[in-house]
Amino acid sequence: AQRVTQPEKLLSVFKGAPVELKCNYSYSGSPELFWYVQYSRQRLQLLLRHISRESIKGFTADLNKGETSFHLKKPFAQEEDSAMYYCALSGQGAAGNKLTFGGGTRVLVKP
Amino acid sequence: KAGVTQTPRYLIKTRGQQVTLSCSPISGHRSVSWYQQTPGQGLQFLFEYFSETQRNKGNFPGRFSGRQFSNSRSEMNVSTLELGDSALYLCASSLMSSGRASTDTQYFGPGTRLTVL
Repeated sequence: AQRVTQPEKLLSVFKGAPVELKCNYSYSGSPELFWYVQYSRQRLQLLLRHISRESIKGFTADLNKGETSFHLKKPFAQEEDSAMYYCALSGQGAAGNKLTFGGGTRVLVKP
Repeated sequence: KAGVTQTPRYLIKTRGQQVTLSCSPISGHRSVSWYQQTPGQGLQFLFEYFSETQRNKGNFPGRFSGRQFSNSRSEMNVSTLELGDSALYLCASSLMSSGRASTDTQYFGPGTRLTVL
């Protein structure tokens, strides 16, 4: 069975401070990991995926298979980063699309 | 391109009734997935359709069903509604290009909020 855990329901940081959202997963095969974000009154959208190994809006995430983690980091948080963040997992190369989501972390960036 | 659209956006039903939700994917997208979002259980995968066939299914009772039409539009149906079915139902579409080696990016719709009284 696949499972994604986001231990923090709420992260509150000041503007300019670093922010790290934790994500741990359990999956027996080769996973694909994603971070999705939902800004206020907007639909859920992909922020980044581990395969791309890119930085989006200053966010990066590294897949650590040894620790089964995919933490999301940003060195200097901005107020516009306030949103709900979801970590999600899919089986790599799996037939079809099935995302297993974590419970989500709400990020609040204070001025 | 227009995004994923879902209709209706809000729905109120009573226990025992049935409901049909509709999803129109992004033009050219061939896969449609459905998710249920509740405060208690979070986002949970319901099922995925591709080429009018259900390809993946989550752990939901048989009261939850869906279908996909030849134009890739999809509907999901919930019969004999229960109070616990109150949720935001999200639809997501993806391209499903041939020869892909990784999971396609899923593009989500705004959701249909179902309230069961």
